[in-house]
Amino acid sequence: EAGVTQSPTHLIKTRGQQATLRCSPISGHTSVYWYQQALGLGLQFLLWYDEGEERNRGNFPPRFSGRQFPNYSSELNVNALELEDSALYLCASSSQGRGYNEQFFGPGTRLTVL
Amino acid sequence: KNQVEQSPQSLIILEGKNCTLQCNYTVSPFSNLRWYKQDTGRGPVSLTIMTFSENTKSNGRYTATLDADTKQSSLHITASQLSDSASYICVVSRLTGNQFYFGTGTSLTVIP
Repeated sequence: EAGVTQSPTHLIKTRGQQATLRCSPISGHTSVYWYQQALGLGLQFLLWYDEGEERNRGNFPPRFSGRQFPNYSSELNVNALELEDSALYLCASSSQGRGYNEQFFGPGTRLTVL
Repeated sequence: KNQVEQSPQSLIILEGKNCTLQCNYTVSPFSNLRWYKQDTGRGPVSLTIMTFSENTKSNGRYTATLDADTKQSSLHITASQLSDSASYICVVSRLTGNQFYFGTGTSLTVIP
């Protein structure tokens, strides 16, 4: 069974540009979570999507947004990129929209903002 | 404030030795606690998950303990191997809001 996949692996942008990151969950999983992991810091919760709807978001500005498609894949968009947005962005999926269920993580997208 | 703190920040041990990583949390109301292993440049992989009523859980050479009264957890690694070199992350989730709180991790290096 394929795990969570993310694309691209690496992404280089300049300040002010927009970045789009993609995630495909494990087959049968309906929940997708996005996290930001800046260098030397812990994972910070960004967004949670379940059944196509945004269920919760972390303490990030509105320029971080996303969506979940009917096939449960998800997209994270970061507008007006700033240098401090440089980080590893991790996507995770779980089978239900409840906290008890294990999250399976993808390999991440490394975003570098110059 | 909901927080998760891990110690030590980094640890170097000899191959074959045991070690214990600590996790203290203030997340409330508590739902469950997970330990993840994250290899460099990879996504985290779950090692154990414990709910309020569980105080110990093992996964091979990994044994996690939970004291819900003191809000502390530990991850004990027995007979360490070079492949154990990774970052170990403690994650606590709340009963409400489906939010997860991550510790900053302990970076473990196992040397031959």
